[in-house]
Amino acid sequence: GEDVEQSLFLSVREGDSSVINCTYTDSSSTYLYWYKQEPGAGLQLLTYIFSNMDMKQDQRLTVLLNKKDKHLSLRIADTQTGDSAIYFCAALNYGGATNKLIFGTGTLLAVQP
Amino acid sequence: KAGVTQTPRYLIKTRGQQVTLSCSPISGHRSVSWYQQTPGQGLQFLFEYFSETQRNKGNFPGRFSGRQFSNSRSEMNVSTLELGDSALYLCASGVGMETQYFGPGTRLLVL
Repeated sequence: GEDVEQSLFLSVREGDSSVINCTYTDSSSTYLYWYKQEPGAGLQLLTYIFSNMDMKQDQRLTVLLNKKDKHLSLRIADTQTGDSAIYFCAALNYGGATNKLIFGTGTLLAVQP
Repeated sequence: KAGVTQTPRYLIKTRGQQVTLSCSPISGHRSVSWYQQTPGQGLQFLFEYFSETQRNKGNFPGRFSGRQFSNSRSEMNVSTLELGDSALYLCASGVGMETQYFGPGTRLLVL
């Protein structure tokens, strides 16, 4: 079945850039998402990209999509301590047989002051 | 606009009991999805409702059910609770499935 994979942990220093990577298996994925989850909270939609795009930038966030390699990345510029959280990558095959979000396991981003 | 709200936020039940969780979507959103989050299995899709109809369903046993009302509010019911049902249950709403906004979740503990 569909699968989304992420590395488990990333540690960066405050002010550096963070890059969180994700791979997915379903080439029919039409939308790809990044969500943020802080301790004890729900999921916050950070950004998403449509499968016919290569890149999307939104303030400090840059999403890169390599559809050939089924690879998605999230770059956070000037990372702050408030960015410390778990980041989930998710894929949606909109209108497909399984019209549901498939989530990765999440990447814990730790920002050192 | 108010965000997605879920009630209750925390719940403690014992094995064999049943539980009903509630979700109020963002105003104007007709799609409501439910997810279960556990440390072992991560985030798993339960089902999605749109205009009071279940459109999609995940791979959960029949003990998990849901419904949606005409005002788009949704409830999820779990019958005959098991220890393994302890989880954070997240509700998400959207105009459609393409963009989903999550609520804070209901944390269920089954003893």
